[in-house]
Amino acid sequence: QSLLTQPPSASGTPGQRVTISCSGSSSNIGSNTVNWYQQLPGTAPKLLIYSNNQRPSGVPDRFSGSKSGTSASLAISGLHSDDEADYYCAAWDDSLNGVIFGGGTKLTVL
Amino acid sequence: QLQLQESGPRLVKPSETLSLTCTVSGASIITSSYYWGWIRQSPGKGLEWIGIIYYSGSAYYNPSLKSRVTISVDTSKNQFSLKLSSVTAADTSVYYCARQDGFTIRLGYFQHWGQGTLVTVSS
Repeated sequence: QSLLTQPPSASGTPGQRVTISCSGSSSNIGSNTVNWYQQLPGTAPKLLIYSNNQRPSGVPDRFSGSKSGTSASLAISGLHSDDEADYYCAAWDDSLNGVIFGGGTKLTVL
Repeated sequence: QLQLQESGPRLVKPSETLSLTCTVSGASIITSSYYWGWIRQSPGKGLEWIGIIYYSGSAYYNPSLKSRVTISVDTSKNQFSLKLSSVTAADTSVYYCARQDGFTIRLGYFQHWGQGTLVTVSS
């Protein structure tokens, strides 16, 4: 069981806004930054959000991240069919002295 | 343009050592502020961080794998490598190499990834 808890699944219709949560603790999200990765089927993960709310060049502003206390969220607005993917949160954990990933959330676009 | 490419045996026997190399092109591995890491993903499962290494050789490992893992760097070849000993079927995974960006380890994130390579542990 991951130290970062994500819902296993999420869904939405095209154009809708969806959010994916990531719950941690004081040793990870509470004291370090959160990153989000998108993994399309059969491909390597892609960095979507870093440092809680920063978008790498090329990532649409439909994607946004936030953090509060020991939880973080990824929001996707104006949902597209090609947003259908697995999404992972990640953070450094001070107790483990390493990176931990959430269990992943499978987003389905209905 | 930075590229990372994993290479190594795709099939490893149980109890043997899994060895993979990541070749970095488009940038020098001897660059401050970057760590170089390995992440794996069992079929149908989530991502698992294995460890990271700095060009100087300083490394951090996943505590659950630490007793079996060694990550090393070869600056002359612009490569870094993973060795995982005493493998079992549970180590069957897609193994990714990646570059960790960020000002510090705790603020790090993996912006550049290799395509991944499936390693199967089977006799």
